[in-house]
Amino acid sequence: EAGVAQSPRYKIIEKRQSVAFWCNPISGHATLYWYQQILGQGPKLLIQFQNNGVVDDSQLPKDRFSAERLKGVDSTLKIQPAKLEDSAVYLCASSLLWGLRLTEAFFGQGTRLTVV
Amino acid sequence: GDSVTQMEGPVTLSEEAFLTINCTYTATGYPSLFWYVQYPGEGLQLLLKATKADDKGSNKGFEATYRKETTSFHLEKGSVQVSDSAVYFCALTPGQDGSGNTGKLIFGQGTTLQVKP
Repeated sequence: EAGVAQSPRYKIIEKRQSVAFWCNPISGHATLYWYQQILGQGPKLLIQFQNNGVVDDSQLPKDRFSAERLKGVDSTLKIQPAKLEDSAVYLCASSLLWGLRLTEAFFGQGTRLTVV
Repeated sequence: GDSVTQMEGPVTLSEEAFLTINCTYTATGYPSLFWYVQYPGEGLQLLLKATKADDKGSNKGFEATYRKETTSFHLEKGSVQVSDSAVYFCALTPGQDGSGNTGKLIFGQGTTLQVKP
């Protein structure tokens, strides 16, 4: 079974530029998450989708971050404009809705963003 | 709000030593508890989990018991190997009914384990 795919693996941009990350979850997983992991910290949830609807985006900095999952499968996370403090690893994860329960989350390898 | 606190790292041990990584949490209701591991150059992987009080999660020789009375979920292993060197994250998913059904993971800051031969 293929895992969660993310691209690119690494990205270096200058501040005020824009950047986009892509995620393809495990086939059949209705729930998709984007996490931000700053160096030396644990991952922090940015946004959670159930199919193509947003379940939780309370910690997404909406003035510069946006995310979409138009067809309920793959997803894109965008930052525009980027700031130095956005340097982090962006992790995508997915989980299966089994009846009314969510299974464990499976994580991709992440995209390491460096803003200079 | 809900939160997870882990012991500071790095933790450096010799091979075959006993490992404990402390984890405590603050949450309302009945969260589910997890340990995730991140090996060098790899993504986060679920190591073990427990969904209700007094449950013991175990995998690859690692164990952790969900202690509601002390709000703890300490990770233990009797004899570590060099291959266990990684970053370990304690996490919870909030749950009002014991289902852990929100899916959202709240992580601790991670503890780096280095095992020397």
